[in-house]
Amino acid sequence: QSALTQPASVSGSPGQSITISCTGTNSDVGAYNYVSWFQHHPGKAPKLMIYDVINRPSGVSNRFSGSKSGNTASLTISGLQAEDEADYYCSSYTTINTLDWVFGGGTKLTVL
Amino acid sequence: QVQLVQSGAEVKKPGASMKVSCKASGYIFTDFYIHWVRQARGQGLEWVGRINPNSGDTKFAQKFQGRVTMTRDTSISIVYLELSRLQFDDTALYYCLRGAGTTFDSWGQGTLVTVSS
Repeated sequence: QSALTQPASVSGSPGQSITISCTGTNSDVGAYNYVSWFQHHPGKAPKLMIYDVINRPSGVSNRFSGSKSGNTASLTISGLQAEDEADYYCSSYTTINTLDWVFGGGTKLTVL
Repeated sequence: QVQLVQSGAEVKKPGASMKVSCKASGYIFTDFYIHWVRQARGQGLEWVGRINPNSGDTKFAQKFQGRVTMTRDTSISIVYLELSRLQFDDTALYYCLRGAGTTFDSWGQGTLVTVSS
């Protein structure tokens, strides 16, 4: 069981928008603006898409955006494209136990 | 460009130890922490710990303490993850990540470690 809760799967048609949620606690997501999102195509290294809740690294499409409300962070992908089909993981800084970081279980995005 | 290249897959027997390497390139090795996470089949990612390549200081998740070691060789920009007393549920894909302050901006390709009798 992962520390952060994500839906197992989401889907959308090309051009549509989808949102993936990432729910934690007031010791991680709710306490810090250090939520990141990663895109993982099988067989490749995961790629940073969003950091510090809302920031996009250079080179990441502005179709990807992040937000947070309370203990839940969200990743929104607008104008879905076939290449967006991948697994998406969230992470957050935490002060739970001896951990520094916690991750979500991952969400499989299918572009129909 | 920043690259983290990990060593190849390993098969180990229960009770044995594993040692996975992560070679960094494209940046000043001692300027960024290296973290390790793992992912068992069908599971999410789990933080194992991290090392400061400059000082060698380490921090581990409590569940691994006592059987995990992280070391580095600054002369060749490599970080090592060692896990001892392996059990079947240590079978996982192990990733090294470059810590960039409040996030991880580069990942290795992953190393599959299989614990099998």
